[in-house]
Amino acid sequence: AQSVTQPDIHITVSEGASLELRCNYSYGATPYLFWYVQSPGQGLQLLLKYFSGDTLVQGIKGFEAEFKRSQSSFNLRKPSVHWSDAAEYFCAVGMNTGFQKLVFGTGTRLLVSP
Amino acid sequence: NAGVTQTPKFRILKIGQSMTLQCAQDMNHNYMYWYRQDPGMGLKLIYYSVGAGITDKGEVPNGYNVSRSTTEDFPLRLELAAPSQTSVYFCASSPPSGEKLFFGSGTQLSVL
Repeated sequence: AQSVTQPDIHITVSEGASLELRCNYSYGATPYLFWYVQSPGQGLQLLLKYFSGDTLVQGIKGFEAEFKRSQSSFNLRKPSVHWSDAAEYFCAVGMNTGFQKLVFGTGTRLLVSP
Repeated sequence: NAGVTQTPKFRILKIGQSMTLQCAQDMNHNYMYWYRQDPGMGLKLIYYSVGAGITDKGEVPNGYNVSRSTTEDFPLRLELAAPSQTSVYFCASSPPSGEKLFFGSGTQLSVL
């Protein structure tokens, strides 16, 4: 069965500093991997996804993530955090088929300090 | 574009009451989903549908029912509300490629 671990419940980053959010997954085959962001009181919005090919993927809002098969990881990064990035971030894993029954991690809440 | 619309946004139920959470999408997506989000637990899949007339259980279906009579609508029914169903409920839809889920803004439900 698929599973996702986000080891950090909360992370605080100063505005302008770099960010890395960790995600580890468990899946028997090559997975589909996603990062979603949830702003307060809102639904989830897709930041980026990895299906195949280049292991470094670019997303919206200046985010990127790198798929590392050997480490079963898909960490999210941003070189310079903005106050508007404060939100909850969810990593998710899906099957490498069209239909998606995603398994989500428990989320990491990002706080941005001035 | 409306996208995925959920109603109501907030609701308080008494134990044993029933209600229906409404979900509609205007993107002609075949796939629709219901998730619940509990604090610190991420999202758990309740039910999903791959098209009109076809539904199936997800990870946590007990206490819920769904129907899919049209492509656009995917209501979630709670028959006998219990405190364990206090949660935030999200409806989502996706195209056949599955490359992206579109989420509604959620329904916050409290059962007291």
